[in-house]
Amino acid sequence: QKEVEQDPGPLSVPEGAIVSLNCTYSNSAFQYFMWYRQYSRKGPELLMYTYSSGNKEDGRFTAQVDKSSKYISLFIRDSQPSDSATYLCAMDSSYKLIFGSGTRLLVRP
Amino acid sequence: GAVVSQHPSWVICKSGTSVKIECRSLDFQATTMFWYRQFPKQSLMLMATSNEGSKATYEQGVEKDKFLINHASLTLSTLTVTSAHPEDSSFYICSANKGQGSSYEQYFGPGTRLTVT
Repeated sequence: QKEVEQDPGPLSVPEGAIVSLNCTYSNSAFQYFMWYRQYSRKGPELLMYTYSSGNKEDGRFTAQVDKSSKYISLFIRDSQPSDSATYLCAMDSSYKLIFGSGTRLLVRP
Repeated sequence: GAVVSQHPSWVICKSGTSVKIECRSLDFQATTMFWYRQFPKQSLMLMATSNEGSKATYEQGVEKDKFLINHASLTLSTLTVTSAHPEDSSFYICSANKGQGSSYEQYFGPGTRLTVT
Protein backbone atom coordinates (compact mmCIF):
# COMPACT_ATOMS: atom_id res chain seq x y z
CA GLN A 1 0.00 0.00 0.00
CA LYS A 2 1.31 3.43 -0.92
CA GLU A 3 1.68 5.98 1.85
CA VAL A 4 -0.37 8.49 -0.13
CA GLU A 5 -3.15 7.54 -2.53
CA GLN A 6 -4.58 9.89 -5.11
CA ASP A 7 -6.99 9.20 -7.95
CA PRO A 8 -5.09 9.90 -11.20
CA GLY A 9 -8.19 11.04 -13.08
CA PRO A 10 -8.52 12.58 -15.53
CA LEU A 11 -11.30 14.68 -14.07
CA SER A 12 -13.22 16.71 -16.64
CA VAL A 13 -15.60 19.47 -15.52
CA PRO A 14 -17.33 22.42 -17.19
CA GLU A 15 -16.14 25.93 -16.53
CA GLY A 16 -17.62 27.36 -13.35
CA ALA A 17 -18.01 23.99 -11.63
CA ILE A 18 -16.80 23.25 -8.11
CA VAL A 19 -13.95 20.77 -8.22
CA SER A 20 -13.13 18.37 -5.41
CA LEU A 21 -9.71 16.71 -5.34
CA ASN A 22 -8.83 14.18 -2.67
CA CYS A 23 -6.02 12.15 -1.16
CA THR A 24 -5.90 9.48 1.50
CA TYR A 25 -2.86 8.53 3.51
CA SER A 26 -1.79 5.85 5.92
CA ASN A 27 0.83 7.48 8.15
CA SER A 28 -0.77 9.22 11.11
CA ALA A 29 2.50 11.03 11.84
CA PHE A 30 2.04 13.43 8.93
CA GLN A 31 1.51 16.96 10.21
CA TYR A 32 1.73 19.22 7.17
CA PHE A 33 -0.41 18.73 4.10
CA MET A 34 0.31 20.49 0.83
CA TRP A 35 -1.32 20.94 -2.53
CA TYR A 36 0.73 21.63 -5.63
CA ARG A 37 -0.40 22.47 -9.15
CA GLN A 38 1.73 21.35 -12.06
CA TYR A 39 1.25 22.43 -15.65
CA SER A 40 2.59 20.23 -18.40
CA ARG A 41 6.40 20.32 -18.62
CA LYS A 42 6.69 22.72 -15.69
CA GLY A 43 7.72 22.41 -12.07
CA PRO A 44 5.04 22.09 -9.36
CA GLU A 45 3.68 25.30 -7.86
CA LEU A 46 2.80 25.39 -4.17
CA LEU A 47 -0.87 26.34 -3.84
CA MET A 48 -1.31 26.05 -0.11
CA TYR A 49 -0.31 24.09 2.95
CA THR A 50 -2.26 23.19 6.07
CA TYR A 51 -1.03 22.17 9.47
CA SER A 52 -2.94 19.39 11.22
CA SER A 53 -6.72 19.18 10.87
CA GLY A 54 -9.00 21.94 9.70
CA ASN A 55 -9.75 24.17 6.77
CA LYS A 56 -7.75 26.82 5.00
CA GLU A 57 -9.06 29.15 2.34
CA ASP A 58 -7.19 31.17 -0.25
CA GLY A 59 -9.27 32.84 -2.91
CA ARG A 60 -11.07 30.18 -4.92
CA PHE A 61 -9.16 27.38 -3.21
CA THR A 62 -10.07 25.64 0.05
CA ALA A 63 -7.98 22.90 1.63
CA GLN A 64 -9.46 20.53 4.19
CA VAL A 65 -7.69 18.04 6.41
CA ASP A 66 -9.42 15.32 8.40
CA LYS A 67 -6.70 13.54 10.35
CA SER A 68 -9.14 11.16 12.01
CA SER A 69 -10.05 9.78 8.59
CA LYS A 70 -6.59 10.35 7.09
CA TYR A 71 -8.25 12.23 4.24
CA ILE A 72 -7.46 15.58 2.67
CA SER A 73 -9.30 17.58 0.04
CA LEU A 74 -8.79 20.57 -2.20
CA PHE A 75 -11.85 22.42 -3.44
CA ILE A 76 -11.72 24.81 -6.37
CA ARG A 77 -14.67 27.15 -6.76
CA ASP A 78 -15.70 28.76 -10.04
CA SER A 79 -13.20 26.63 -11.94
CA GLN A 80 -11.55 28.19 -14.97
CA PRO A 81 -9.91 26.65 -18.05
CA SER A 82 -6.61 27.98 -16.69
CA ASP A 83 -7.04 25.62 -13.73
CA SER A 84 -6.50 22.69 -16.09
CA ALA A 85 -3.38 21.01 -14.73
CA THR A 86 -2.24 18.12 -12.59
CA TYR A 87 -2.82 18.59 -8.87
CA LEU A 88 -0.48 16.84 -6.47
CA CYS A 89 -1.06 16.37 -2.79
CA ALA A 90 2.01 16.05 -0.61
CA MET A 91 2.76 15.38 3.02
CA ASP A 92 5.72 16.26 5.15
CA SER A 93 7.58 13.28 6.55
CA SER A 94 10.94 13.63 8.25
CA TYR A 95 11.93 16.72 6.27
CA LYS A 96 10.90 15.09 2.98
CA LEU A 97 7.75 15.37 0.96
CA ILE A 98 5.71 12.30 0.10
CA PHE A 99 3.68 12.96 -3.03
CA GLY A 100 0.48 11.49 -4.32
CA SER A 101 0.47 10.38 -7.92
CA GLY A 102 -1.41 13.50 -9.03
CA THR A 103 -4.90 14.09 -10.45
CA ARG A 104 -5.24 15.49 -13.95
CA LEU A 105 -7.95 18.14 -14.11
CA LEU A 106 -9.50 19.45 -17.32
CA VAL A 107 -11.86 22.43 -17.14
CA ARG A 108 -13.85 22.69 -20.34
CA PRO A 109 -14.81 26.18 -21.58
CA GLY B 1 8.06 35.73 -3.19
CA ALA B 2 9.82 32.41 -3.48
CA VAL B 3 11.40 31.87 -6.85
CA VAL B 4 13.59 28.95 -7.83
CA SER B 5 15.33 28.80 -11.18
CA GLN B 6 16.93 25.94 -13.04
CA HIS B 7 19.42 25.97 -15.84
CA PRO B 8 19.34 24.70 -18.48
CA SER B 9 15.64 24.17 -19.13
CA TRP B 10 16.43 21.43 -21.60
CA VAL B 11 19.57 19.68 -22.74
CA ILE B 12 20.48 17.01 -25.24
CA CYS B 13 23.71 15.12 -24.76
CA LYS B 14 25.43 12.08 -26.17
CA SER B 15 25.69 8.82 -24.31
CA GLY B 16 28.78 8.71 -22.09
CA THR B 17 29.04 12.44 -21.50
CA SER B 18 28.26 14.34 -18.30
CA VAL B 19 25.65 17.03 -17.80
CA LYS B 20 25.40 19.62 -15.03
CA ILE B 21 22.09 21.13 -13.94
CA GLU B 22 21.98 24.20 -11.72
CA CYS B 23 19.29 25.07 -9.20
CA ARG B 24 19.15 28.52 -7.65
CA SER B 25 16.88 30.10 -5.07
CA LEU B 26 16.61 33.68 -6.29
CA ASP B 27 14.99 35.55 -3.41
CA PHE B 28 15.65 33.44 -0.34
CA GLN B 29 18.36 31.34 1.19
CA ALA B 30 17.87 27.60 1.30
CA THR B 31 19.80 25.41 3.66
CA THR B 32 18.18 22.40 2.07
CA MET B 33 17.43 21.68 -1.55
CA PHE B 34 15.96 18.59 -3.09
CA TRP B 35 16.37 16.86 -6.44
CA TYR B 36 13.53 14.96 -8.04
CA ARG B 37 13.04 12.96 -11.17
CA GLN B 38 9.73 12.72 -12.99
CA PHE B 39 8.72 10.34 -15.76
CA PRO B 40 5.84 11.17 -18.11
CA LYS B 41 2.46 11.13 -16.38
CA GLN B 42 4.02 10.02 -13.13
CA SER B 43 4.59 11.73 -9.84
CA LEU B 44 7.86 13.11 -8.54
CA MET B 45 10.47 10.70 -7.29
CA LEU B 46 12.86 12.11 -4.71
CA MET B 47 16.44 11.39 -5.66
CA ALA B 48 18.41 13.17 -2.97
CA THR B 49 18.41 15.83 -0.30
CA SER B 50 21.12 18.43 -0.60
CA ASN B 51 22.31 20.33 2.46
CA GLU B 52 24.57 23.34 2.20
CA GLY B 53 28.06 22.55 3.35
CA SER B 54 27.58 18.82 3.74
CA LYS B 55 27.19 15.68 1.68
CA ALA B 56 23.90 14.96 0.01
CA THR B 57 21.63 12.22 1.28
CA TYR B 58 20.51 9.87 -1.47
CA GLU B 59 17.33 7.86 -1.59
CA GLN B 60 17.50 4.11 -1.79
CA GLY B 61 18.31 2.92 -5.28
CA VAL B 62 19.85 6.20 -6.47
CA GLU B 63 23.50 5.87 -7.47
CA LYS B 64 25.44 8.63 -5.74
CA ASP B 65 28.45 8.18 -8.02
CA LYS B 66 26.26 8.70 -11.04
CA PHE B 67 24.22 11.63 -9.77
CA LEU B 68 26.69 13.99 -8.14
CA ILE B 69 25.18 16.73 -6.02
CA ASN B 70 26.97 19.80 -4.74
CA HIS B 71 25.36 22.44 -2.54
CA ALA B 72 28.02 25.11 -2.67
CA SER B 73 26.07 28.00 -1.20
CA LEU B 74 22.73 28.86 0.38
CA THR B 75 21.32 29.71 -3.05
CA LEU B 76 22.91 27.17 -5.38
CA SER B 77 22.82 23.40 -5.74
CA THR B 78 24.02 21.46 -8.76
CA LEU B 79 23.23 17.99 -10.05
CA THR B 80 25.73 16.36 -12.39
CA VAL B 81 24.65 13.30 -14.31
CA THR B 82 27.88 11.46 -15.06
CA SER B 83 28.38 9.10 -17.97
CA ALA B 84 24.81 9.63 -19.07
CA HIS B 85 22.89 6.86 -20.80
CA PRO B 86 19.56 6.93 -22.64
CA GLU B 87 17.78 5.54 -19.57
CA ASP B 88 18.81 8.70 -17.71
CA SER B 89 16.59 10.72 -20.04
CA SER B 90 13.96 12.30 -17.84
CA PHE B 91 12.58 15.51 -16.37
CA TYR B 92 14.72 16.64 -13.43
CA ILE B 93 13.23 19.10 -10.96
CA CYS B 94 14.84 20.76 -7.99
CA SER B 95 13.19 22.41 -5.03
CA ALA B 96 14.41 24.68 -2.28
CA ASN B 97 13.14 24.64 1.26
CA LYS B 98 12.22 28.08 2.52
CA GLY B 99 11.04 26.90 5.91
CA GLN B 100 13.33 25.94 8.74
CA GLY B 101 13.11 22.54 10.34
CA SER B 102 10.52 21.13 7.96
CA SER B 103 9.94 20.62 4.26
CA TYR B 104 6.44 22.00 3.99
CA GLU B 105 7.52 25.19 2.29
CA GLN B 106 9.24 23.71 -0.69
CA TYR B 107 9.35 25.78 -3.84
CA PHE B 108 10.12 24.10 -7.12
CA GLY B 109 12.14 25.09 -10.11
CA PRO B 110 10.71 24.87 -13.63
CA GLY B 111 12.52 21.60 -14.37
CA THR B 112 15.20 20.46 -16.79
CA ARG B 113 14.40 18.04 -19.56
CA LEU B 114 17.38 15.80 -20.27
CA THR B 115 17.57 13.73 -23.42
CA VAL B 116 20.49 11.35 -23.85
CA THR B 117 21.05 10.10 -27.38
